[in-house]
Amino acid sequence: QQQVKQSPQSLIVQKGGIPIINCAYENTAFDYFPWYQQFPGKGPALLIAIRPDVSEKKEGRFTISFNKSAKQFSLHIMDSQPGDSATYFCAEGGGADGLTFGKGTHLIIQP
Amino acid sequence: DAGVTQSPTHLIKTRGQHVTLRCSPISGHKSVSWYQQVLGQGPQFIFQYYEKEERGRGNFPDRFSARQFPNYSSELNVNALLLGDSALYLCASDGRGNTGELFFGEGSRLTVL
Repeated sequence: QQQVKQSPQSLIVQKGGIPIINCAYENTAFDYFPWYQQFPGKGPALLIAIRPDVSEKKEGRFTISFNKSAKQFSLHIMDSQPGDSATYFCAEGGGADGLTFGKGTHLIIQP
Repeated sequence: DAGVTQSPTHLIKTRGQHVTLRCSPISGHKSVSWYQQVLGQGPQFIFQYYEKEERGRGNFPDRFSARQFPNYSSELNVNALLLGDSALYLCASDGRGNTGELFFGEGSRLTVL
């Protein structure tokens, strides 16, 4: 079964720092790579997504970097804030095959 | 506009029982997907429905079934509940049915005793 390997499992960063979360995928057939943010007691919310025809995408303080040859993509959060403390999931796929999610990264931003 | 709504929010069942979970997608969205999220893990794909037809199915046993109604709402049914079915069940809607731009509800937390 295809997998998306996400690391680290947990991460603690000081306010203003730049947490980086990494994902590696196996299935090269997919062309959609989103990141979801989940707060306790809530459903995941789409944060930012990228397609493999670009190497980087920025939306506000969030940036995805994509390395097609290495089959890896990462999320960077600029000027991180305590309100960014959440669990982050990378995923691949979409459509009838659904999304395959990583196991998540529990991020804590300390004031 | 209302987002994806799910009911019930919490429920407790015993082994062997049956459960029905309900979902209303965002107005205008014709695609509904179901995911299971076990504590500490990422969501796992169960089903996708588009225009009332099953378009995709994940690696779940036949005890899991679903359907989509003419108003695009959906039900997930699980028969013969096992302890391992305890999880957060998430419903998501997608405006075009072929993207990963899923809008999730807050889920139904199922506990099987």
